[in-house]
Amino acid sequence: SQTIHQWPATLVQPVGSPLSLECTVEGTSNPNLYWYRQAAGRGLQLLFYSVGIGQISSEVPQNLSASRPQDRQFILSSKKLLLSDSGFYLCAWRGGLGASETQYFGPGTRLLVL
Amino acid sequence: AQSVTQLDSQVPVFEEAPVELRCNYSSSVSVYLFWYVQYPNQGLQLLLKYLSGSTLVKGINGFEAEFNKSQTSFHLRKPSVHISDTAEYFCAVSVGFNKFYFGSGTKLNVKP
Repeated sequence: SQTIHQWPATLVQPVGSPLSLECTVEGTSNPNLYWYRQAAGRGLQLLFYSVGIGQISSEVPQNLSASRPQDRQFILSSKKLLLSDSGFYLCAWRGGLGASETQYFGPGTRLLVL
Repeated sequence: AQSVTQLDSQVPVFEEAPVELRCNYSSSVSVYLFWYVQYPNQGLQLLLKYLSGSTLVKGINGFEAEFNKSQTSFHLRKPSVHISDTAEYFCAVSVGFNKFYFGSGTKLNVKP
């Protein structure tokens, strides 16, 4: 079966520090992968998605970047964090066939920028 | 472009009472519709989805939702809620499963 992992689970970082969040998927190959951010009191906002190694689409201009160095690895990064980067970051993959197709979410990383 | 509106940010309800969480969407093309649940400090779990066919969709944990094309709505219902249903619920639409557009969420608070 397929599983999706995210780490770290929680992160507290000072303003101006770098960021690297990792997402990996097991049990599938060449998945579409997604990064979402959930800010306090708001819904989920799609940040990036990737249909393959090295292929990244950005949905909103921001202080963050994404990379896909391996088929089942998706990384969210920042060179200098802002206070507004705080939030709950969710990785997802598109899986299933036909009636079971949907996006499946990881457990999330809670980021607090101080 | 697609958008999703969840008008109720919080819904308090007593245990064993019925509940309806509202979702309206806007799209110029046909979309797929989803409801996800998020328990505290966890990722999102799929409750149910509408792709085509019967407009009444049944999901996990006793939830169901009805697709109403004329009203562009996909309201989530449960006839009798439990304490364990306390969570945040998100409605979402997608075109072709690639891009999902989420509502702002509804926090369901079930009281004893």
